[in-house]
Amino acid sequence: DAKTTQPTSMDCAEGRAANLPCNHSTISGNEYVYWYRQIHSQGPQYIIHGLKNNETNEMASLIITEDRKSSTLILPHATLRDTAVYYCIVRGTNAGGTSYGKLTFGQGTILTVHP
Amino acid sequence: DGGITQSPKYLFRKEGQNVTLSCEQNLNHDAMYWYRQDPGQGLRLIYYSQIVNDFQKGDIAEGYSVSREKKESFPLTVTSAQKNPTAFYLCASSSRWVKRLSTDTQYFGPGTRLTVL
Repeated sequence: DAKTTQPTSMDCAEGRAANLPCNHSTISGNEYVYWYRQIHSQGPQYIIHGLKNNETNEMASLIITEDRKSSTLILPHATLRDTAVYYCIVRGTNAGGTSYGKLTFGQGTILTVHP
Repeated sequence: DGGITQSPKYLFRKEGQNVTLSCEQNLNHDAMYWYRQDPGQGLRLIYYSQIVNDFQKGDIAEGYSVSREKKESFPLTVTSAQKNPTAFYLCASSSRWVKRLSTDTQYFGPGTRLTVL
C-alpha cells in the first residue's frame, strides 16, 4: 500500500473551513484515497473516498491533485464536534493474502477546533 | 437501526484467562474484520473473514482466534497466549467481496477496551 504523510496536528476556528492535507506520492493508478476520523475512544468513522475526481458528500469534500500525489480533505464549516484524529489512507487492491481489505492507518492529523 | 455493535465496551481480564469479544452487524455485510489499536498508534489487522465459515490471519494473529458461523457475527477470542492483550479492539465490516477492493468501504463498531490485570 502507498504510504501517506500528514501533518501531526492542525487548529481551526469554529465555523471556518478546515483543510487537511495528505501526501501520497507513491500511489498507484488503481488505488483510492480514503479518509476516516476517530474521536477519542470511539471507532473510526468513514468520511469520504475518491480515485481521481473531486468528491463531495454531506460531511466533507475531497480534492485530489491531477497527478494524484496529494489530496486535501475539506470540512467546510468546522464545529467543535469535528475535533478528532483524521486519517488519510491509500487502499491496497491485493485480492488475497494478509493484505486483503486491510486499512493501514498511520498517525493521522489531530484536528482541534477552537470556539 | 442498522450498524455494528461490539460488547462489552470495557472488559477486564486476569492474566492467563481467555476472553471473547463480541461483534455483530445487521448491515448484511459479507466481510468482517478485527483490528487492534494501542495508545497513540494506528490500527493493526488481526483477522478477517470474507464469507461465512471462512477467515484469514491478518498481520498480528498470534494469540487470537475467531469463528464465523453466522454472517452477522464474528467473535474474537483473546487467548492466554497473547503476550500483550491490553488494547482497544475494533471490529469492522464491508459489503461484499469485490474484485476492486478499493471501493469496498469498511465501517467500524464502537470498540471494546480490554485491560489485563
